[in-house]
Amino acid sequence: EIVLTQSPGTLSLSPGERATLSCRASQSIRSNYLDWYQHKPGQAPRLLIYGASSRAAGIPDRFSGSGSGADFTLTISRLEPEDFAVYYCRQSGLTFGQGTKVEIK
Amino acid sequence: EVQLVESGGGLVKPGGSLRLSCVASGLPFTNAWMSWVRQAPGKGLEWVARIRTETDGGVIDYSAPVKGRFTISRDDSESTVFLQMSSLKPEDTAVYYCTTDELVGVTRVDYWGQGTLVTVSS
Repeated sequence: EIVLTQSPGTLSLSPGERATLSCRASQSIRSNYLDWYQHKPGQAPRLLIYGASSRAAGIPDRFSGSGSGADFTLTISRLEPEDFAVYYCRQSGLTFGQGTKVEIK
Repeated sequence: EVQLVESGGGLVKPGGSLRLSCVASGLPFTNAWMSWVRQAPGKGLEWVARIRTETDGGVIDYSAPVKGRFTISRDDSESTVFLQMSSLKPEDTAVYYCTTDELVGVTRVDYWGQGTLVTVSS
């Protein structure tokens, strides 16, 4: 079973700053099968990035994904107030990483 | 508009059983791979089970913590996916979400239900 490890656990940033989130897999996965989700309290999760680098429908272009093999990155170029949330990577539509919380500094 | 509506959650004693349902509307259900994802209190998202379409062989996958205790199934005539949960443990306490996604044009769109709370406690 592939294990996804996200880092850091918490990211404390101010609006307007850049956020860089990491997701490392225990073994190489095909880029087509690495997704990123955003989750806010009381809401359903939302797909941000699929196939490692493609934005899902309606996702602003400040969100971008990159990476291949076992190392993947989600970048939020300039944090907006609504971006403070927990972010998860997910492989092959199955297992999730443990999440990175992006909080207001 | 696509809607996924879960039901069947509630309070159950350890060792008990519960059956969750998720009715889908607004999408071609027979083409949809359906999954259950849960979130325990104060914890992250955890994938539980997935069932592919009949066309894709109806292949089923389970996460390790639920394998042998939970059963996912689907009724395409009713656009419904089920999660039969048995031998429930306190650590199965969570909000359970039904989810799927589809390709719309050249991009993917995901859909989630509102979630149904399962509490396993004596």
